[in-house]
Amino acid sequence: GAVVSQHPSWVICKSGTSVKIECRSLDFQATTMFWYRQFPKQSLMLMATSNEGSKATYEQGVEKDKFLINHASLTLSTLTVTSAHPEDSSFYICSARQGFAEAFFGQGTRLTVV
Amino acid sequence: DAKTTQPPSMDCAEGRAANLPCNHSTISGNEYVYWYRQIHSQGPQYIIHGLKNNETNEMASLIITEDRKSSTLILPHATLRDTAVYYCIVRVEGNDMRFGAGTRLTVKP
Repeated sequence: GAVVSQHPSWVICKSGTSVKIECRSLDFQATTMFWYRQFPKQSLMLMATSNEGSKATYEQGVEKDKFLINHASLTLSTLTVTSAHPEDSSFYICSARQGFAEAFFGQGTRLTVV
Repeated sequence: DAKTTQPPSMDCAEGRAANLPCNHSTISGNEYVYWYRQIHSQGPQYIIHGLKNNETNEMASLIITEDRKSSTLILPHATLRDTAVYYCIVRVEGNDMRFGAGTRLTVKP
């Protein structure tokens, strides 16, 4: 299947700092990218959907000013967690798809805020 | 998108077929059935999807009942590496992918 790469795989940051996570589609043009968050022993929760060149659409309860999403090209989307706090510690996962095809997922980024 | 119901957990002996059920009784005519799996601490992996016909690929087979209200994912010869959480998702093409609780499959030696 298609390859979606996330970077970094894990990151530890201090409370109050910002962290940027990258999501790249390596062998296809991702017209739509999705960002999910997964807490321990829970399922993936959709945070936002972004189409290339457009503003992201956030799910209810997800603060758009805290979780900044940029999808400036057909192969790259970034999620920036601003002013991170310990409760933001989680497993963040992106996925990408071309048109209406099935979505492929990155390997995830484990964020720990200390 | 239609809601799905899956058993929370299942066990399977290594080398045997693993049959994972999914109920989607409110599925509508233009909704596809997708299966993904998530191995611990990794992103979900696409397995297979279908609309109404049975599908098979190198990973698994998908059997969809005639009324489309349920489906079964079949891993023909389960290995220890197939231990994962399996998600059945029903969605209209083009909609986002939303995950339920899934089935935790444990393949035992």
